[in-house]
Amino acid sequence: DTEVTQTPKHLVMGMTNKKSLKCEQHMGHRAMYWYKQKAKKPPELMFVYSYEKLSINESVPSRFSPECPNSSLLNLHLHALQPEDSALYLCASSHIAGGPGELFFGEGSRLTVL
Amino acid sequence: KQEVTQIPAALSVPEGENLVLNCSFTDSAIYNLQWFRQDPGKGLTSLLLIQSSQREQTSGRLNASLDKSSGRSTLYIAASQPGDSATYLCAVPSGGGADGLTFGKGTHLIIQP
Repeated sequence: DTEVTQTPKHLVMGMTNKKSLKCEQHMGHRAMYWYKQKAKKPPELMFVYSYEKLSINESVPSRFSPECPNSSLLNLHLHALQPEDSALYLCASSHIAGGPGELFFGEGSRLTVL
Repeated sequence: KQEVTQIPAALSVPEGENLVLNCSFTDSAIYNLQWFRQDPGKGLTSLLLIQSSQREQTSGRLNASLDKSSGRSTLYIAASQPGDSATYLCAVPSGGGADGLTFGKGTHLIIQP
């Protein structure tokens, strides 16, 4: 089972709202990632969790707050977003075995900020 | 800092043709290289992973090669079909461990029926 599940698939929110994106994997992977992808651009790394601890934060604004409750779950909490934050948010996971393993991505959450 | 370049940016060919997508990277000290496919508005599907010790990897009509010393990889698609139409992305690890991937900008492929 090589599946990463993201919910919701679509989210529309106002600039004063608080919402969350959720990601789940059951492949036993110990690294999980959040990427942001704008239209016609490649994915850009936001956060990396390794063994449930935040290991990389690519200078993402504090209005994005990641959380890793356990090894299977990764959340991205959203608050006071701007219209330019509208994008496809992708979650991924991989093994860690000396070096980076194969990354598996979810279908993404399409976020629109009004 | 690792940089990944993909050529061509877009490609449109008739069905049945064999084609080659190119990827180059600036830092040859990579652990592996991964090719993905992305359909419009969808997530990324992993196609092939080539370890740094491998020269090529095959899956069905897809064959990926890796020349680590020259910083290049190619994705060969045999007997192309309209269902192959998608954006193909090449990516290499940004560093060691779990540092995420650096992506190229992709090749937008259209296979004409």
